[in-house]
Amino acid sequence: QVTLKESGPGILQPSQTLSLTCTFSGFSLSTYGMGVGWIRQPSGKGLEWLANIWWDDDKYYNPSLKNRLTISKDTSNNQAFLKITNVDTADTATYYCARIASYYWYFDFWGPGTMVTVSS
Amino acid sequence: DIVMTQGALPNPVPSGESASITCQSSKSLLHSNGKTYLNWYLQRPGQSPQLLIYWMSTRASGVSDRFSGSGSGTDFTLKISSVEAEDVGVYYCQQFLEYPLTFGSGTKLEIK
Repeated sequence: QVTLKESGPGILQPSQTLSLTCTFSGFSLSTYGMGVGWIRQPSGKGLEWLANIWWDDDKYYNPSLKNRLTISKDTSNNQAFLKITNVDTADTATYYCARIASYYWYFDFWGPGTMVTVSS
Repeated sequence: DIVMTQGALPNPVPSGESASITCQSSKSLLHSNGKTYLNWYLQRPGQSPQLLIYWMSTRASGVSDRFSGSGSGTDFTLKISSVEAEDVGVYYCQQFLEYPLTFGSGTKLEIK
């Protein structure tokens, strides 16, 4: 059974660094073809893809966030991480992590999301 | 970036009627391997998105056969036959052909 769960700080101030953790079970990020993606959704708005990390440590980022994103993983603890530097109010959103399997190329299992508010 | 443009529904849709949601991509999503990398997701109120359709027309595991996907390289349709109360939510198309991955803006379905 595949599950994912996001965790984050809840609230942080502008200019700080947002650190998110995705803890998953039912698959391994050391298995060939497995990946985890991060997607966010401001309240009442649509979905925005942020970054993917793959079993071989290949990483892809949304260029719209320029160099603010860093994705990483800890395969021994079944976790993936996302850092966003220099946050502002536009980064207020629910952040989701989701599993990807290469060959299929879809997000098949999603976490429940974690809400992040950027406010002074 | 590939832009995904979704159409609106004439809400509310009467229960038992069919509903078709359109999605258009700014670039063909047909890969040289013959697969079209267009996915459909449903986000029910207060929930995470769930995968409905992948490769443009393949239903995901456990998805009702009332959902079907079709299209060409750039124009896609998600059809829901005989809509039910549980189909309420926002439907998103998404391309997985190339980075950056992009989603449509979403299409809301309401049931009468």
